[in-house]
Amino acid sequence: GESVGLHLPTLSVQEGDNSIINCAYSNSASDYFIWYKQESGKGPQFIIDIRSNMDKRQGQRVTVLLNKTVKHLSLQIAATQPGDSAVYFCAETHYNTDKLIFGTGTRLQVFP
Amino acid sequence: DVKVTQSSRYLVKRTGEKVFLECVQDMDHENMFWYRQDPGLGLRLIYFSYDVKMKEKGDIPEGYSVSREKKERFSLILESASTNQTSMYLCASSLGEDSGNTIYFGEGSWLTVV
Repeated sequence: GESVGLHLPTLSVQEGDNSIINCAYSNSASDYFIWYKQESGKGPQFIIDIRSNMDKRQGQRVTVLLNKTVKHLSLQIAATQPGDSAVYFCAETHYNTDKLIFGTGTRLQVFP
Repeated sequence: DVKVTQSSRYLVKRTGEKVFLECVQDMDHENMFWYRQDPGLGLRLIYFSYDVKMKEKGDIPEGYSVSREKKERFSLILESASTNQTSMYLCASSLGEDSGNTIYFGEGSWLTVV
């Protein structure tokens, strides 16, 4: 079946550096993608989303890039802070449905 | 801000007990979802609902049922809890008017079945 995967299970970065979290998706029919952040003991928190008619979207300190040719999604976090430490999930959904397909997550660790 | 509230954060139940997990959202969302989250398996969809009294099976509905009597409330029911249902359960909701709506999650309910 279709799945959304992540390239790295754990990413360690130094405070102040930029972080890049990658994600591959398998369903070319997916048209909406979301990044979530989940801190320990909490539910996933929406970070940023992107639709398939875009290839880049920026938020506050975060940027999502979408490459439909290779079915790849990335989340870039600028000037990573200790508060960014969490597990990050990408998720995809098909047109006309809000059923999300999640990857297993990437843990981001920020060290001083 | 959207608020999805799961009333029980931590529960311990015995095998065979009937378990209710309650979820309420305050943004008049059409869609509501129940996921479970397990280490190494990510989030898996159990059931979802597009409207009051409507429900559809997700990817892992076995051993679960749901109830949506009111728009704001979506309940997950374990008719006879088993130890393999020990997990974190996440409720979510989305607007539902068209595709590609942001899905908001609650804080989760940790269920342990002994």
